[in-house]
Amino acid sequence: EDKVVQSPLSLVVHEGDTVTLNCSYEVTNFRSLLWYKQEKKAPTFLFMLTSSGIEKKSGRLSSILDKKELFSILNITATQTGDSAVYLCAVVPPRGSGAGSYQLTFGKGTKLSVIP
Amino acid sequence: GAVVSQHPSWVICKSGTSVKIECRSLDFQATTMFWYRQFPKQSLMLMATSNEGSKATYEQGVEKDKFLINHASLTLSTLTVTSAHPEDSSFYICSAVWVGSYNEQFFGPGTRLTVL
Repeated sequence: EDKVVQSPLSLVVHEGDTVTLNCSYEVTNFRSLLWYKQEKKAPTFLFMLTSSGIEKKSGRLSSILDKKELFSILNITATQTGDSAVYLCAVVPPRGSGAGSYQLTFGKGTKLSVIP
Repeated sequence: GAVVSQHPSWVICKSGTSVKIECRSLDFQATTMFWYRQFPKQSLMLMATSNEGSKATYEQGVEKDKFLINHASLTLSTLTVTSAHPEDSSFYICSAVWVGSYNEQFFGPGTRLTVL
């Protein structure tokens, strides 16, 4: 059973729309939750969320974590065609897990397509 | 800073041959590197944890005799796919942990392996 579940799996929107991507997780003990954007190659880092309720913002992207309800959302406002990508979330295990402290558990991702 | 390179970017080989993929941290030392595999339209799946100076730790279902990992220095890990078969065709991505940046993982650009 998946520990990190992203929804929707795929999303098609028009330029200018606002989208919300969801990431829910079953892991209760973790250090942080990460969001990545993956285009054709390797993922690029977007946000690291550690504390519940504190919004992280970068330009048109923002993200927030709810540790009580075990989910995170990634918002993209005024979408552009360049936002088309797969967005991945991942959880980081707690410290003291040995070599496993660095292992990321990824969700399957949300494929976002922004059409002109 | 924090650049990770992979070589080659793309390799096509015949079934039965072995292929070596290199992962280098260019401007930092990484005692821990990870190898992921990504099939089309799927998320990154962790294959193994590569620790400098010790044996790699493989995830369940990953054959250690088929996917040989060597982490001989603090800036280089190699993944050798031995006796490759068409089902090994995939996108292989490595990441390196930079202790100096709160143990953040930095991803390489990936290597696309096609086995004919």
